[in-house]
Amino acid sequence: AQTVTQSQPEMSVQEAETVTLSCTYDTSESDYYLFWYKQPPSRQMILVIRQEAYKQQNATENRFSVNFQKAAKSFSLKISDSQLGDAAMYFCAYRSAIPGIQGAQKLVFGQGTRLTINP
Amino acid sequence: SQTIHQWPATLVQPVGSPLSLECTVEGTSNPNLYWYRQAAGRGLQLLFYSVGIGQISSEVPQNLSASRPQDRQFILSSKKLLLSDSGFYLCAAAQAIRGYTFGSGTRLTVV
Repeated sequence: AQTVTQSQPEMSVQEAETVTLSCTYDTSESDYYLFWYKQPPSRQMILVIRQEAYKQQNATENRFSVNFQKAAKSFSLKISDSQLGDAAMYFCAYRSAIPGIQGAQKLVFGQGTRLTINP
Repeated sequence: SQTIHQWPATLVQPVGSPLSLECTVEGTSNPNLYWYRQAAGRGLQLLFYSVGIGQISSEVPQNLSASRPQDRQFILSSKKLLLSDSGFYLCAAAQAIRGYTFGSGTRLTVV
């Protein structure tokens, strides 16, 4: 079964600095998708960034970028120029196929990292 | 765009009472639907998923059940709530092109 591990329960960073959140996963699949979601105090799940495993190029969305190391099964999120609005829980997620049901998939989440931005 | 309506936003229920949480999806057809539970300060645990009307799969044994009476309606139920059922419940929908969309969640407190 696929598992996702976030080893940093909490992280903090000074405003305008850069922070990296770690994520590792375990899978036997060769083609898959990885995601980072942000959950602010409102608890709404917001997609931050997505990476397709077959793409060697790391995904980037404005101040957010990933370091995808497929062989190491590592998928870290880098937030540059941190802003107060970045404070939230961040979840790493793996999209897993559901065996026996063609086209069906599910998201498996890590335990999350609570990010605090210090002004 | 794909939108999920989930209600109620908050709910306080006594132990032993029934539960019905509803989730409806707009802007898509035949999505995969999911119920997740999030304990305080923890990650999301998948409870149920559905790939079509009347098709429900459970990920973990529990006191809850799910139903999908219509293509874009997903219901989470319990006949008798336990204290351990307290948590934050999120409905999600997925379709290959549109990816995943989450509802705004229901905070359930069982007292």
